[in-house]
Amino acid sequence: AQSVTQLGSHVSVSEGALVLLRCNYSSSVPPYLFWYVQYPNQGLQLLLKYTSAATLVKGINGFEAEFKKSETSFHLTKPSAHMSDAAEYFCAVNPSGTYKYIFGTGTRLKVLA
Amino acid sequence: EPEVTQTPSHQVTQMGQEVILRCVPISNHLYFYWYRQILGQKVEFLVSFYNNEISEKSEIFDDQFSVERPDGSNFTLKIRSTKLEDSAMYFCASTGQGTEAFFGQGTRLTVV
Repeated sequence: AQSVTQLGSHVSVSEGALVLLRCNYSSSVPPYLFWYVQYPNQGLQLLLKYTSAATLVKGINGFEAEFKKSETSFHLTKPSAHMSDAAEYFCAVNPSGTYKYIFGTGTRLKVLA
Repeated sequence: EPEVTQTPSHQVTQMGQEVILRCVPISNHLYFYWYRQILGQKVEFLVSFYNNEISEKSEIFDDQFSVERPDGSNFTLKIRSTKLEDSAMYFCASTGQGTEAFFGQGTRLTVV
């Protein structure tokens, strides 16, 4: 079964520092991949998606992710963290042939002043 | 901007009672979903719904759960006899022609 693994349940960065949140997928066929953000007590907001077009995907709020087939990875990055980026981030895969999403366990990002 | 809306935002119910969680998906979307998130855990798929029938469901979605699209706009999740372990945030989502799912703000269900 297809799945995603998020390394690091908690990540802390200083304001202005690089944000790197890791996601690896398991699939023999490159799936559709997504990053969602969840702010406290809110729903899930789509940050960006990979659907087999460009391997470098730009999303909202300055985030981007690079699909690397050789590493089966889809890591999320942002060059400079802002306090407002503090939230939980979920990587998700849409297994081919289905319409459901399989979510990773999430990474809680803390931004330090 | 169109959005998925869920009501109520918070529901408290006694164990054994029936609850209905309501969702209004984005109007031109065709696929509808329910997910749940137990506090501190990951988001889990429950069920997908297309063309007035369930297209896929997880092992969590047992006989206590049912979904319905009673009219052209609402999509509901019913839990027949709630258990303590049903306490979670329940998210409704919908997709249209694209692949991305749009999620509602969630209903926090507390079973006491």
